[in-house]
Amino acid sequence: GAGVSQSPRYKVAKRGQDVALRCDPISGHVSLFWYQQALGQGPEFLTYFQNEAQLDKSGLPSDRFFAERPEGSVSTLKIQRTQQEDSAVYLCASSLWAGGTQETQYFGPGTRLLVL
Amino acid sequence: AQSVSQHNHHVILSEAASLELGCNYSYGGTVNLFWYVQYPGQHLQLLLKYFSGDPLVKGIKGFEAEFIKSKFSFNLRKPSVQWSDTAEYFCAVNARNTGFQKLVFGTGTRLLVSP
Repeated sequence: GAGVSQSPRYKVAKRGQDVALRCDPISGHVSLFWYQQALGQGPEFLTYFQNEAQLDKSGLPSDRFFAERPEGSVSTLKIQRTQQEDSAVYLCASSLWAGGTQETQYFGPGTRLLVL
Repeated sequence: AQSVSQHNHHVILSEAASLELGCNYSYGGTVNLFWYVQYPGQHLQLLLKYFSGDPLVKGIKGFEAEFIKSKFSFNLRKPSVQWSDTAEYFCAVNARNTGFQKLVFGTGTRLLVSP
């Protein structure tokens, strides 16, 4: 595709609800990242996939957060039993290769989650 | 672990003024450095990056940044800003030799350029 796409763009959830956020990376990109951006802050790393393998989930804030990329393309970030502190913009990024740290990450528009 | 500091949270300039945004990082090893920009209503996009060689790197739209290793700094500059440069600017770093691409971002600087 032309760029990284994310859906939904906006999500309002009641506290305790489960939500699922989708990311479509650029076609052919091996690496996929999820970041969380709280209001007034920079993005913070959540998790990383190389194809379908989740190689780094060190940034997931709790076991309520779960991500998958079963076929090595589309990824879903799931948040169970949402809390107000989960309110943030969730950004997805992809990069072409997995081997180098100098790869450019291409970001999607983000999903803005508001938990009431 | 790496960390990034951007000391200017908000900057207001008039068109044609010169710009310098500060970025300092903390990490004991070798790093790659990035500047990303987010224009109003748009997604984050790469302005420029540095990983080796000439410490003065040039990016898109007339931006440049200089890596000063002794100061752990990677400041962003532009000689003459335009109204269209109004955006939020993020400095980011990753550790070069770990194989991990994940970026550590600063808190961002909001730039407003008045016409």
